[in-house]
Amino acid sequence: QKEVEQNSGPLSVPEGAIASLNCTYSDRGSQSFFWYRQYSGKSPELIMSIYSNGDKEDGRFTAQLNKASQYVSLLIRDSQPSDSATYLCAVNMEYGNKLVFGAGTILRVKS
Amino acid sequence: DGGITQSPKYLFRKEGQNVTLSCEQNLNHDAMYWYRQDPGQGLRLIYYSQIVNDFQKGDIAEGYSVSREKKESFPLTVTSAQKNPTAFYLCASSFPSGGNEKLFFGSGTQLSVL
Repeated sequence: QKEVEQNSGPLSVPEGAIASLNCTYSDRGSQSFFWYRQYSGKSPELIMSIYSNGDKEDGRFTAQLNKASQYVSLLIRDSQPSDSATYLCAVNMEYGNKLVFGAGTILRVKS
Repeated sequence: DGGITQSPKYLFRKEGQNVTLSCEQNLNHDAMYWYRQDPGQGLRLIYYSQIVNDFQKGDIAEGYSVSREKKESFPLTVTSAQKNPTAFYLCASSFPSGGNEKLFFGSGTQLSVL
């Protein structure tokens, strides 16, 4: 089992729709969770961090965390073509205290 | 402007050659990291350093070496022992915060083999 798993996609959504990106992780003791956005050929950019169960909202982005299910998600409301990118989930594993990245989900927003 | 500067943007390596990737930060961060990214894969940790004159191997350190003589600088050398060096290399830094580190990345170096 991979430490951090994401569906590679591509996930295609129409402009204005809600995009839902999912991530599962293996280390039950993990405490810190991050979502990065990466445009093609560019470096990742941190867009959300979440540490407690529940939802955290920032503009059009909502991160959701369920530690019991070892699941973290990112919702993007009113998706725009400029949101088209690869979204990387990163989890700070308690074991080894290291940040582990998933392979990323490609999101395509069609106008 | 504060940030992380990586150079060069593109680098070509001949067989048997060592090459060095530069990473400089002016964010006053203590921790610095090197990641490798292959197409369709996540970032894999090569080396990291929490403090000057100290560094630790990551998950894929074989064929790579680093130094941390200054807080601002963390160069990565890809040695001839790294048989498959073609990848996108990312340098990152963070201010340690007990496991909640948020990484800030440089713009990356694309390394290819001639």
